[in-house]
Amino acid sequence: DAEITQSPRHKITETGRQVTLACHQTWNHNNMFWYRQDLGHGLRLIHYSYGVQDTNKGEVSDGYSVSRSNTEDLPLTLESAASSQTSVYFCASSEAPYNEQFFGPGTRLTVL
Amino acid sequence: RKEVEQDPGPFNVPEGATVAFNCTYSNSASQSFFWYRQDCRKEPKLLMSVYSSGNEDGRFTAQLNRASQYISLLIRDSKLSDSATYLCVVTSNTGNQFYFGTGTSLTVIP
Repeated sequence: DAEITQSPRHKITETGRQVTLACHQTWNHNNMFWYRQDLGHGLRLIHYSYGVQDTNKGEVSDGYSVSRSNTEDLPLTLESAASSQTSVYFCASSEAPYNEQFFGPGTRLTVL
Repeated sequence: RKEVEQDPGPFNVPEGATVAFNCTYSNSASQSFFWYRQDCRKEPKLLMSVYSSGNEDGRFTAQLNRASQYISLLIRDSKLSDSATYLCVVTSNTGNQFYFGTGTSLTVIP
């Protein structure tokens, strides 16, 4: 069955370190998204991609970057982790804009 | 102003009760609307899309009111398994961004 996976599921890191969160989907979806979820804010869009070599900034993109070298993967990089980036990160994919987004299981990141 | 506003609850209802959630949105040009369900420490999953004419899926009914810019979710005959957080979702007018509400917490009590 097609699926979307994230790794690691849990990560503890220190302020200033570079961190990369992986997202892999086997739906063959062109559209992929990264969100963060924090209490009181709901899910907020960090970056999204409509296809290979395409990336776009979302609502809360500062301090984050993504790259899309193939259809299946959209890794999210925190260039220099900050305590404010402690959150739960969800990756999602969809077949097309307006369509249902399928979410991965999430990565719980703690920055000390 | 937030794109999407939801009453966070919590809603605590007995089994068999009917419960309704509302959600308002600010962009009148929004194109698509959804309700997602999120269980504790899990990922959101689509519950149902919301169509202009309203739609029903078993015990769940979704309504869209474009004039007043709100969507609603009605759950009839609540089950213990309905306990979760319900997220309303509104897309941008181009469809390239989903805006999530903060979620409404529902607990169904035996």
